[in-house]
Amino acid sequence: NAGVTQTPKFQVLKTGQSMTLQCAQDMNHNSMYWYRQDPGMGLRLIYYSASEGTTDKGEVPNGYNVSRLNKREFSLRLESAAPSQTSVYFCASSAGQINEQFFGPGTRLTVL
Amino acid sequence: GDSVTQMEGPVTLSEEAFLTINCTYTATGYPSLFWYVQYPGEGLQLLLKATKADDKGSNKGFEATYRKETTSFHLEKGSVQVSDSAVYFCALRYNNDMRFGAGTRLTVKP
Repeated sequence: NAGVTQTPKFQVLKTGQSMTLQCAQDMNHNSMYWYRQDPGMGLRLIYYSASEGTTDKGEVPNGYNVSRLNKREFSLRLESAAPSQTSVYFCASSAGQINEQFFGPGTRLTVL
Repeated sequence: GDSVTQMEGPVTLSEEAFLTINCTYTATGYPSLFWYVQYPGEGLQLLLKATKADDKGSNKGFEATYRKETTSFHLEKGSVQVSDSAVYFCALRYNNDMRFGAGTRLTVKP
């Protein structure tokens, strides 16, 4: 089992460029999440999808959009990247909202 | 809002030393509490959890007890190994709201 996979692993963007971070899970989980990890701040929830067809804002949603494409896939889009979005992005999934979350390996994004 | 505060690192110990990483929380309800571990270049992995007061979570020699009276969930291990070197995150979940501490980097030297 691959678990939670994320692409790409690394990305460098210029200010104003757009990109989509991809996430997929093969555990048949209902819930999926996007976090960002910044030094000294732990992980902060950007968006989550409690089940297929639903998405909700987390703690820091501004500047991002998400799409729950199907049960397996949950993408995160930056429409106009800003240097403040330089971070490591983690996708996670769980069977339900109260279950353990499984994390992907992360995407390191730098916005110049 | 709900939050988690954990001791600042980095923490450096010799192999076989005793480990404590402090974690306290603020929550309006009765959250579930977690410790996650992150090894270099990897995502977070659940280390242990506790879902109600006085529960003790344990795994791989690590333990933490949910203390409602002191709003704490301190991580302990009696004898650390070099392979325990990682970043440790305390977290709480109340409904679908998951909050993480800033992380504590542990380095264990032979």
